[in-house]
Amino acid sequence: QVQLQQRGAGLLKPSETLALTCVVSGGPFSDYYWTWIRQSPEEGLEWIGEIDHTGSTTYNPSLASRVTMSVDPPTSQFSLQLTSVTAADTAIYFCARRDHRKSTLGHWGQGTLVSVSS
Amino acid sequence: DIQMTQSPSSLSASIGDRVTITCRASQDIRNDLGWYQQKPGKAPERLIYAASSLQSGVPSRFSGSGSGTEFTLTISSLQPEDFATYYCGQQNTYPLTFGGGTKVEIK
Repeated sequence: QVQLQQRGAGLLKPSETLALTCVVSGGPFSDYYWTWIRQSPEEGLEWIGEIDHTGSTTYNPSLASRVTMSVDPPTSQFSLQLTSVTAADTAIYFCARRDHRKSTLGHWGQGTLVSVSS
Repeated sequence: DIQMTQSPSSLSASIGDRVTITCRASQDIRNDLGWYQQKPGKAPERLIYAASSLQSGVPSRFSGSGSGTEFTLTISSLQPEDFATYYCGQQNTYPLTFGGGTKVEIK
């Protein structure tokens, strides 16, 4: 079945760039929306944005100025970069898959705890 | 952004109880809503999609209803493995947004 495996650093200093990758296996990569979500006690579940297999992106306006998503279909991977992190970006970050524009989130990665501290 | 308001934020219930969780959207989202279950240290898992469709493999004691702005998740007979936190989420309009969660605890 479809599996999403997350990779990336979990400890950052303020002003650094968060970089996470999600590797998809067990299913096709095209025709889906590849999504990033984060979860913190303060903000709950927060949708960061998503990218499709063509590289078309939609970002949450609240984070858009600092977010870049990319996709690499030949390796079935997609990535998140968040620049200029602060303590407010400390959260568990999840990657996930949506089947189409109005679809729910049917497959999730395991989550990566990202802590921002000086 | 569409605000999703869940109630209650927590509840205590016994095995076998019927449990109902409500989610209200700040504007009409048709049936573009899902329900998710999250256990400690794990990612959320989809239970319900399109407001009332049961995810394959999810026990039939879970059901969803509603459309527009009012939605309900019902667990007909609570089982030990159902103690978790439940979230609603809308995908009608960007940005996608989620409710604050309902923690179901053992009475």
